Amino acid sequence: GAGVSQTPSNKVTEKGKYVELRCDPISGHTALYWYRQSLGQGPEFLIYFQGTGAADDSGLPNDRFFAVRPEGSVSTLKIQRTERGDSAVYLCASSLSLAGYNEQFFGPGTRLTVL
Amino acid sequence: AQTVTQSQPEMSVQEAETVTLSCTYDTSESDYYLFWYKQPPSRQMILVIRQEAYKQQNATENRFSVNFQKAAKSFSLKISDSQLGDAAMYFCAYCESDKLIFGTGTRLQVFP
Repeated sequence: GAGVSQTPSNKVTEKGKYVELRCDPISGHTALYWYRQSLGQGPEFLIYFQGTGAADDSGLPNDRFFAVRPEGSVSTLKIQRTERGDSAVYLCASSLSLAGYNEQFFGPGTRLTVL
Repeated sequence: AQTVTQSQPEMSVQEAETVTLSCTYDTSESDYYLFWYKQPPSRQMILVIRQEAYKQQNATENRFSVNFQKAAKSFSLKISDSQLGDAAMYFCAYCESDKLIFGTGTRLQVFP
């Protein structure tokens, strides 16, 4: 079946603007994760969902970042008042459940550029 | 907090040869999971191999194998018979509370 998809693939915005990044997980996967990958770094955890609820949002850098998953499938990462330091690739992943051994399947990411 | 260290920013190998990528991690847990992910220029992370810490036997997946040394907290990846398509960034990751902690990656170049 289809893999994890993310839209848009690239987003350019101006400092101070609001952006939304979308993730469509693999059908039937109950766990969904967001990571942020800065240039030359490994991905860093932001938040994950089990079903509709955020199970762990400890990686969100500040209150400008927020994520939702209202129906337990598609998720949206929302960033308010964007800053240049928010520029990065935002990766989404899904897995069958939250059990640590389960493979996380990643999407191709959204490259966010804040001018 | 758990950390993952990849001390080789770049590695290169000739086609058909073998290369080993290093990874060390820090944890106080006794049972956990370790992963190697590959990230080609397309940006999509692909699972290469995984290891459960309670299993003594090193994991293998075709040309990919690991050398897991639990006491030393070392988890290296060996790629045998390297192919041009193996060229990518490789990330070692540790699973903590269901989320992945990644190292900074090793860029692997494969020369014909």
